[in-house]
Amino acid sequence: AQKITQTQPGMFVQEKEAVTLDCTYDTSDPSYGLFWYKQPSSGEMIFLIYQGSYDQQNATEGRYSLNFQKARKSANLVISASQLGDSAMYFCAMREGTGRRALTFGSGTRLQVQP
Amino acid sequence: DVKVTQSSRYLVKRTGEKVFLECVQDMDHENMFWYRQDPGLGLRLIYFSYDVKMKEKGDIPEGYSVSREKKERFSLILESASTNQTSMYLCASTIGGIEYTDTQYFGPGTRLTVL
Repeated sequence: AQKITQTQPGMFVQEKEAVTLDCTYDTSDPSYGLFWYKQPSSGEMIFLIYQGSYDQQNATEGRYSLNFQKARKSANLVISASQLGDSAMYFCAMREGTGRRALTFGSGTRLQVQP
Repeated sequence: DVKVTQSSRYLVKRTGEKVFLECVQDMDHENMFWYRQDPGLGLRLIYFSYDVKMKEKGDIPEGYSVSREKKERFSLILESASTNQTSMYLCASTIGGIEYTDTQYFGPGTRLTVL
């Protein structure tokens, strides 16, 4: 079964607007971490933001925020004031507290920011 | 800053060749990972290592082996390259332990083409 689901293969947004990238996850482990990575066309994976399952507040890092809805098992990434440099693939990933130490990734969303 | 380097950005090999992909991290991280990335599939774990000479299979280990003789270096070996191993290969590392908060840091990736 899919543990991480990203239902938007591609998204367009106008420069300076906000955009939300969806991510839902599936786990029975009470302890887990959720991560978002950005992958520009050059290929490197850039860590953006982290949310722990016990965190009471939504994580924020500059223009990135994570809309964490635990009961719905969703962890959407919100990018405010989009810039042309935000055009990239975005991956949601999860690591569970028990079991293996690797991340499980979603299939990604390609975001294109238009001028 | 954590630095993870990979020996090649682009590599072209022939079917049947033995291929070595090298990954080095400079932050004394315990865990190292090899992922494969294919369009629409996200990143899939091939192998990971939690200590020198220690390794565990990931989701798609068939056709691959790994070597970790030193803490900072983790090698992925394609014993006999095949065209279906044409892909993007990404190495990552984490500090270690079992904490689900452990952020993975990635190398720049190697785009391997097998002809």
